[in-house]
Amino acid sequence: QSVLTQPPSVSGAPGQRVTISCSGRSSNIGAGYDVHWYQQLPGTAPKLLIYANSNRPSGVPDRFSGSKSGTSASLAITGLQAEDEADYYCQSYDSSLSGPVVFGGGTKLTVL
Amino acid sequence: QVQLQESGPGLVKPSQTLSLTCTVSGGSISSGTYYWSWIRQPAGKGLEWIGHIYTTGSTNYNPSLKSRVTISVDTSKNQFSLKLSSVTAADTAVYYCARGWNSSGPDPRYNWFDPWGQGTLVTVSS
Repeated sequence: QSVLTQPPSVSGAPGQRVTISCSGRSSNIGAGYDVHWYQQLPGTAPKLLIYANSNRPSGVPDRFSGSKSGTSASLAITGLQAEDEADYYCQSYDSSLSGPVVFGGGTKLTVL
Repeated sequence: QVQLQESGPGLVKPSQTLSLTCTVSGGSISSGTYYWSWIRQPAGKGLEWIGHIYTTGSTNYNPSLKSRVTISVDTSKNQFSLKLSSVTAADTAVYYCARGWNSSGPDPRYNWFDPWGQGTLVTVSS
């Protein structure tokens, strides 16, 4: 069981907007530590998608956005495209014995 | 830009030691405030951070693996390495090396991982 909780799966039609949640607790997201998001296309290594809650690395489309509030964070994807079908992981720091680096269990995004 | 590449045996016998190396190209492993990290992913499962080594040589490990893990660096070869002892089938996974860093300085609490190596599958079996 992962320290950060994500829904196992989400889906949406092309062009739609979907969100993926990442729920933490007072020892990680709730303590003010940043949340980062990764996209893992089938058979490939994870790729940084969002860093420090809401920042996009160069080359990441602005269809991807991140936010954080309280003990949770969210990744939003607008204008869904077929190539967005992938696994998405959140990551943060945890000050408890579960840490220091913790990942969510991952969310499989299916584009219908 | 910086690129990472894992290498090492793809098959390890139970109770033996898993050894992997990550070669860094496009930049010096000893420059900057970077945390050179190992992360693994069992087939069909999520990501698990194993540990990191800082530019100065200091290390930090996942508490659940700490007793079996050693991460070291060879600056002359621009490489860092992972050793995981007493392996079992539960250690079968794709192992990734990655660079951990952040824009606030040498505080690993705010690190993200970028870039990643392509990953290497290690199977523990007799």
